[in-house]
Amino acid sequence: EAGVAQSPRYKIIEKRQSVAFWCNPISGHATLYWYQQILGQGPKLLIQFQNNGVVDDSQLPKDRFSAERLKGVDSTLKIQPAKLEDSAVYLCASSPPAGLAINEQFFGPGTRLTVL
Amino acid sequence: QKEVEQNSGPLSVPEGAIASLNCTYSDRVSQSFFWYRQYSGKSPELIMSIYSNGDKEDGRFTAQLNKASQYVSLLIRDSQPSDSATYLCAVKETSGSRLTFGEGTQLTVNP
Repeated sequence: EAGVAQSPRYKIIEKRQSVAFWCNPISGHATLYWYQQILGQGPKLLIQFQNNGVVDDSQLPKDRFSAERLKGVDSTLKIQPAKLEDSAVYLCASSPPAGLAINEQFFGPGTRLTVL
Repeated sequence: QKEVEQNSGPLSVPEGAIASLNCTYSDRVSQSFFWYRQYSGKSPELIMSIYSNGDKEDGRFTAQLNKASQYVSLLIRDSQPSDSATYLCAVKETSGSRLTFGEGTQLTVNP
C-alpha cells in the first residue's frame, strides 16, 4: 500500500514570496490533515478535511495560509506571503474512515520550508 | 498551561534498561491517547494507542493511562540503540477532533 505522498521535499524561499505544497493521501482515506512542525516542537494542526469539506481550521493563519481539497483526494497548502516564522516542516497526514481500525493518522515525509 | 506536557529531555539510558516517558494533559474530556516515534529528519509514526485506564502492552512497549490523574506514560523495556528518537505524546478529545501533540522527549539509548 502506497503511503502519503508529499512534494516538494524541500523548499527555500525569501520572505514575502509565495509557496505551495502538495499532498496525496493513502487511497481510501477520507480525512486529510496538514500540520506545521517547528524545530524542537510537536506537530500543530493547521487544517483538517473530511472528504472535500473543512472540519477544523481554527489554528490556520487565514491571512496568509490557505488550503483546498477540491475533489476529496489530494490537497494543496499555500502560504502567501511567507514570513520568517513560517520556516518549519509541513506534514500531511491521512486517516481511514471512522470506525475502521484505530484512529491512526499516517504521516507523509513532510516538506521542509526555509524562509530567508 | 500547555495542553499536553511531556517530561523534559533529553533522556539517556543504557542499552537494555527501561526507558520511561511521561505525559500529562490538561483537558479532562480527552478520550484517546497516542505515542508517536519520530526519528531525526523523519515523520512521526504511531507506536501505541490507549483509550482505557490501565496498561496496554505491545512487545517491548507498555502504555499506561490514568485519566483521574490526567497522565499517560510509555515504558520501553530492553531499550535498544534503534529506539533512539523523539517520542511524541498526542491526545484527542473525541473521535474526529484534533490531535494535540506535546513537544516531544528525545531519547538516546547508549550501546
